[in-house]
Amino acid sequence: AQSVSQHNHHVILSEAASLELGCNYSYGGTVNLFWYVQYPGQHLQLLLKYFSGDPLVKGIKGFEAEFIKSKFSFNLRKPSVQWSDTAEYFCAVITDSWGKFQFGAGTQVVVTP
Amino acid sequence: DAGVTQSPTHLIKTRGQQVTLRCSPKSGHDTVSWYQQALGQGPQFIFQYYEEEERQRGNFPDRFSGHQFPNYSSELNVNALLLGDSALYLCASSQGTAPEQYFGPGTRLTVT
Repeated sequence: AQSVSQHNHHVILSEAASLELGCNYSYGGTVNLFWYVQYPGQHLQLLLKYFSGDPLVKGIKGFEAEFIKSKFSFNLRKPSVQWSDTAEYFCAVITDSWGKFQFGAGTQVVVTP
Repeated sequence: DAGVTQSPTHLIKTRGQQVTLRCSPKSGHDTVSWYQQALGQGPQFIFQYYEEEERQRGNFPDRFSGHQFPNYSSELNVNALLLGDSALYLCASSQGTAPEQYFGPGTRLTVT
């Protein structure tokens, strides 16, 4: 069965630290990959997406992600986090032509001042 | 330009009752997908509507049904509510088969 795995459920780090969140998926065909963020009390917002081309994609708020096809991974990174990055982050994959998302379980990130 | 809107924001129901949740897609979008997000979990796909038809469905029982109207808005109906149906229900809209979806704020359903 197709699945999306996020390696960490909770991450706590200090402001200015670097962040990397892991995401792996199990599907051998063409995929569209996404990272969504859910700030406290807000709805899911798109951080970045990968459809094809350059495997290093840049998103909003200084986030970037790298697609490594051989590792079935799409890890999210940010060089220096801020307190406002406290949120839950979801990796999502679309494997069909209809746009049915499969989400990971999410990673709760807490940035301390 | 209004984004995806959902109503109501919160809802409390008793086990065995029925509930209807509503979603209006982002302007220009014609496809609506529904997701269930249980506490501490990622959203799980329920079904997707396009041109007033259910285009595909996730692993949810027939108690979960939906409808799409000519103006592309959609309803999610859940019959015979169970305690386990307590969750945040998310609606997402997109244009045709475009992969990018925009999510609404969700409806928090509590079943007691």
